[in-house]
Amino acid sequence: GAVVSQHPSWVICKSGTSVKIECRSLDFQATTMFWYRQFPKQSLMLMATSNEGSKATYEQGVEKDKFLINHASLTLSTLTVTSAHPEDSSFYICSVGGGNQPQHFGDGTRLSIL
Amino acid sequence: GIQVEQSPPDLILQEGANSTLRCNFSDSVNNLQWFHQNPWGQLINLFYIPSGTKQNGRLSATTVATERYSLLYISSSQTTDSGVYFCAVEAYRDDKIIFGKGTRLHILP
Repeated sequence: GAVVSQHPSWVICKSGTSVKIECRSLDFQATTMFWYRQFPKQSLMLMATSNEGSKATYEQGVEKDKFLINHASLTLSTLTVTSAHPEDSSFYICSVGGGNQPQHFGDGTRLSIL
Repeated sequence: GIQVEQSPPDLILQEGANSTLRCNFSDSVNNLQWFHQNPWGQLINLFYIPSGTKQNGRLSATTVATERYSLLYISSSQTTDSGVYFCAVEAYRDDKIIFGKGTRLHILP
């Protein structure tokens, strides 16, 4: 199955900072990647679908200007949390796959905004 | 959109016990996966099982697609089985993967 690498694992930064999270598909060319957010003791919620070479598709209630997604190549998607605030603190995780193939997830990024 | 319900929400068992976790979904699915999320947040892929039955060691899973449910069986539980188990489905009409709320399993030594 696909191997997905996500960086960084942990980020702690001050309020107002922008944070970029990378998701790399190491052995699979992914035209689509998915970004999820998980708050403590809750399930994973799909934020957006990242599409290679075109705009991302955001789920209802997710601010596209707040969470910038770029999918410039078949192996890399980035999520930038702009002007992060404490309420953006969460666990962010990406995945590759779908269709008739299983989803493979990165190890996630724990974001803490002070 | 598709609804995914998992039960029970919480389960506490003694080491060595068996357990059955259930996932109900409200529409036809292209695929269904069971994951174990460990304390560090990593999602471990247990089964890719849109239909039928699979076994892997002490774990097995069955999906009855026509009746829109899947079951995860854990036999002879160990403390390392503790964590949250998620069912995730991709609806037939949609590319999105939707997660259930999970079952939090705690195995006591």
